[in-house]
Amino acid sequence: GENVEQHPSTLSVQEGDSAVIKCTYSDSASNYFPWYKQELGKGPQLIIDIRSNVGEKKDQRIAVTLNKTAKHFSLHITETQPEDSAVYFCAAANDYKLSFGAGTTVTVRA
Amino acid sequence: NAGVTQTPKFQVLKTGQSMTLQCAQDMNHEYMSWYRQDPGMGLRLIHYSVGAGITDQGEVPNGYNVSRSTTEDFPLRLLSAAPSQTSVYFCASSYGQDYTEAFFGQGTRLTVV
Repeated sequence: GENVEQHPSTLSVQEGDSAVIKCTYSDSASNYFPWYKQELGKGPQLIIDIRSNVGEKKDQRIAVTLNKTAKHFSLHITETQPEDSAVYFCAAANDYKLSFGAGTTVTVRA
Repeated sequence: NAGVTQTPKFQVLKTGQSMTLQCAQDMNHEYMSWYRQDPGMGLRLIHYSVGAGITDQGEVPNGYNVSRSTTEDFPLRLLSAAPSQTSVYFCASSYGQDYTEAFFGQGTRLTVV
């Protein structure tokens, strides 16, 4: 089955700086890569996704890149704000099934 | 639109007891799934369904049963609870075709003592 590894497990950044989270996956058949944000006591919520035929996607301060050859994808958050503090999960999808990374706890320091 | 609704939000069970976690969605989504979330392990797929009457196992199905008699509902049954099933459970739904956004419920925190 699919194995998704996510790094780092924790990330502390100064407000206004950038944050980068990296994920690798094992199954070359995976073709959909979403990123979820989870706030305390809530369910995960999609923040951005990318499909295998696209190398990069941007939505305001958030961007995701995908390298299918190397089987890795990354989340970039620019100009971080206190409300960006949360747990972020990457995932890879194959045949309807989502496999998640272990999560990254991001703390934005004021 | 309520989205994905899970009940209960919290539950404490004794070892060996059975219970059903409820999940309902009002978005007419074909695809529904159950995950468990444990510290340091992300979310792991328990069971999923691609439509009414169709279910299949995920990564960690042992100890859990599911059924899908309607498009809206996807209950998760624990037949004989064990302490290893202490976790936070999330239900999710999506349109199911061409990989679209999965919407998650608020979660059920289950403790088995």
